[in-house]
Amino acid sequence: NAGVTQTPKFQVLKTGQSMTLQCAQDMNHNSMYWYRQDPGMGLRLIYYSASEGTTDKGEVPNGYNVSRLNKREFSLRLESAAPSQTSVYFCASSEARGLHEQYFGPGTRLTVT
Amino acid sequence: LAKTTQPISMDSYEGQEVNITCSHNNIATNDYITWYQQFPSQGPRFIIQGYKTKVTNEVASLFIPADRKSSTLSLPRVSLSDTAVYYCLVGGGFDTGRRALTFGSGTRLQVQP
Repeated sequence: NAGVTQTPKFQVLKTGQSMTLQCAQDMNHNSMYWYRQDPGMGLRLIYYSASEGTTDKGEVPNGYNVSRLNKREFSLRLESAAPSQTSVYFCASSEARGLHEQYFGPGTRLTVT
Repeated sequence: LAKTTQPISMDSYEGQEVNITCSHNNIATNDYITWYQQFPSQGPRFIIQGYKTKVTNEVASLFIPADRKSSTLSLPRVSLSDTAVYYCLVGGGFDTGRRALTFGSGTRLQVQP
């Protein structure tokens, strides 16, 4: 089992460029999440998907879009990157929403210049 | 969202017991208390979760007083590899709305030889 995988590991974008961060899990989990973590800070929830076919906003959704492609995959898209989106992005999954343990991927380190 | 307050940092020595306390005065009836550990350049990892009294697993113990307004994560006999950031989260429960688990800034534990 690979658990939660994320691609790419690193990315540098220029302001205004777009990109999609990919996330996949092989644990047959229903719920998936995207977080961002700024230097020295805790994680903030961007979007989540409670189950296949549903998505909902978290604390900081502005500037992002998501797609729950199927049960395994949950992608995060930046349509027009801004320097304020420089961060480490973590994808996570859990059996279900709520109190269930979340399993995290290794993260994507994104720099927007 | 139930707000949590933790010490920003703690120092300890190998072999000592470490107790990290988290305050969550406005915890809701259905909220659980969950602790995660995060090493540099990695995603958080679940440590322990509880609702009331005491929970123990192979890694840690979680003490929750009757009023549930605080909780204490206890790490017995820490080693250098326990140096990490520890997050206290309150929420989840049976709520299926947007009130997702929120990561605060965490407690940075430094274990010295």
